[in-house]
Amino acid sequence: DVKVTQSSRYLVKRTGEKVFLECVQDMDHENMFWYRQDPGLGLRLIYFSYDVKMKEKGDIPEGYSVSREKKERFSLILESASTNQTSMYLCASSRRSGGETQYFGPGTRLLVL
Amino acid sequence: EDQVTQSPEALRLQEGESSSLNCSYTVSGLRGLFWYRQDPGKGPEFLFTLYSAGEEKEKERLKATLTKKESFLHITAPKPEDSATYLCAVHYNNNDMRFGAGTRLTVKP
Repeated sequence: DVKVTQSSRYLVKRTGEKVFLECVQDMDHENMFWYRQDPGLGLRLIYFSYDVKMKEKGDIPEGYSVSREKKERFSLILESASTNQTSMYLCASSRRSGGETQYFGPGTRLLVL
Repeated sequence: EDQVTQSPEALRLQEGESSSLNCSYTVSGLRGLFWYRQDPGKGPEFLFTLYSAGEEKEKERLKATLTKKESFLHITAPKPEDSATYLCAVHYNNNDMRFGAGTRLTVKP
């Protein structure tokens, strides 16, 4: 079974803090994704990566950055957290570009005060 | 504009009352349509992939179908444990993927 794990289930941070969300997958997938999920808006893609050290912007990259130093690990960074970044963050991985099924982690619920 | 729309937003059923969820899309170059189930506070769990119009997939009480404009997720004789949010996602062009907002299903015993 594919397993995608995320470093935290719940996080509470203050405005202006730097926040790191980590995601690890154990299936040797090439592709990894970060989404945020807000009520009524569905999943929106923040960033994705097709390979180590490679990253592409998604639909809503502003205020975020990512890092992929190893194939199994994909980190999402909020450089200076703001209250409008309060959300559920979901990491996913897949075997190849887009068309393959994406497997999701359990999510991190982030609250920025 | 490329869009994926799910309806209804919420659906309440009695146990055993069959119904369907809809996912309509306005994208060009469809390459695949995915259905996921998401329980509260958890990540989406993969259910089905459909690749071409006319295709159908089944799993227990769920059956997914695909036409050129939409997909249906039919739920036959649902049980309370089928309560969840059901998401559809469309893969199109080369690497574009777009998710719908989901249908929140509640099945009352």
